[in-house]
Amino acid sequence: DTGVSQDPRHKITKRGQNVTFRCDPISEHNRLYWYRQTLGQGPEFLTYFQNEAQLEKSRLLSDRFSAERPKGSFSTLEIQRTEQGDSAMYLCASSPLAGASNEQFFGPGTRLTVL
Amino acid sequence: KQEVTQIPAALSVPEGENLVLNCSFTDSAIYNLQWFRQDPGKGLTSLLLIQSSQREQTSGRLNASLDKSSGRSTLYIAASQPGDSATYLCAVEYGGATNKLIFGTGTLLAVQP
Repeated sequence: DTGVSQDPRHKITKRGQNVTFRCDPISEHNRLYWYRQTLGQGPEFLTYFQNEAQLEKSRLLSDRFSAERPKGSFSTLEIQRTEQGDSAMYLCASSPLAGASNEQFFGPGTRLTVL
Repeated sequence: KQEVTQIPAALSVPEGENLVLNCSFTDSAIYNLQWFRQDPGKGLTSLLLIQSSQREQTSGRLNASLDKSSGRSTLYIAASQPGDSATYLCAVEYGGATNKLIFGTGTLLAVQP
């Protein structure tokens, strides 16, 4: 296992279209996070999964956003009716549930451009 | 409100110089603090993690310190190289059920050859 992977790496879409991103965490990592990063800013937390349970959603996650982790392994993030303000880098991270630290390991991100 | 601030926003140094990046946080009840590196258009690479009970961590030319009482952390880079050029992000975890990270806005470092 080489780390967290995300697909696609880049996505260009027209306003109003739906998009879906996928994240494959490091094997056996129970915790999975989604963050969003806009240009010149640090990442901001969107949502958190522990195994298949979505335990927290940020207020940044409007009704147009939905995330799933159906079998406690990979996760998907869907944005419906995209807006230009959704243009950002979407980052996924994972960490193990056990252990004293909670070091989070990030994937390469999916850059979304909404035209 | 829990906030993380990084100073300076940008830094340019000649190759070989030692440098310090600063991170401050408003709520001192942290669980741990993590430093990341981000290359343009890329994801984040974890550099160092300091748990709340620790004062510092070292990895190669990097040394990170933590002072919870003053709400500060520093990342020291020794003998900087052009390959160190990147954005450095500080992130704080406050524990709880989710252990989500709160990030600063980063310091953009340029090491001139």
